[in-house]
Amino acid sequence: RKEVEQDPGPFNVPEGATVAFNCTYSNSASQSFFWYRQDCRKEPKLLMSVYSSGNEDGRFTAQLNRASQYISLLIRDSKLSDSATYLCVVKGALNGQNFVFGPGTRLSVLP
Amino acid sequence: DAGVTQSPTHLIKTRGQQVTLRCSPKSGHDTVSWYQQALGQGPQFIFQYYEEEERQRGNFPDRFSGHQFPNYSSELNVNALLLGDSALYLCASRGFSYNSPLHFGNGTRLTVT
Repeated sequence: RKEVEQDPGPFNVPEGATVAFNCTYSNSASQSFFWYRQDCRKEPKLLMSVYSSGNEDGRFTAQLNRASQYISLLIRDSKLSDSATYLCVVKGALNGQNFVFGPGTRLSVLP
Repeated sequence: DAGVTQSPTHLIKTRGQQVTLRCSPKSGHDTVSWYQQALGQGPQFIFQYYEEEERQRGNFPDRFSGHQFPNYSSELNVNALLLGDSALYLCASRGFSYNSPLHFGNGTRLTVT
């Protein structure tokens, strides 16, 4: 089983739609969680950190369920500019531990 | 405030050759990690450097080596290049706090022919 798994995608949605991405992780000791977005042939960029109580940043909402080892990202009112690959990332508590990336889920928002 | 910078942006090498990629971390960051990203996949961790030492290593052969300098900049060296080494190589830096996120450079796209 891979350490971080994500919905395989791609997701093709119309502008204005709400879309949700799911991510599961296998290491129960993971302590830090992030969503990154990556545009085609560009570097990953931090979208948001994910906190235990869940957090929201404009149209984006992230949720964490430690018991189920599950992370989600909800995008409301999708824009054309949201088209990208969304990467789920987890990290252990210790400073030396590396960040583990999921394979990513590609989103295409259609006009 | 300069972000993470990498050089070169593109590189074409032949099988068996050696390559060196360079990275300067974001100002204020002291930890540098390298990732390999093949087309259609998520970034795969190669290794992490802190205080000029390799602190953790992913599942990559010894052909992949690195270095961190006193100014926190870093190099990734790959010897005896294989066709399968063709990928986007990403450098990322972060601050010391355990939950500090990674900040990536633009990457170096390596093509091995």
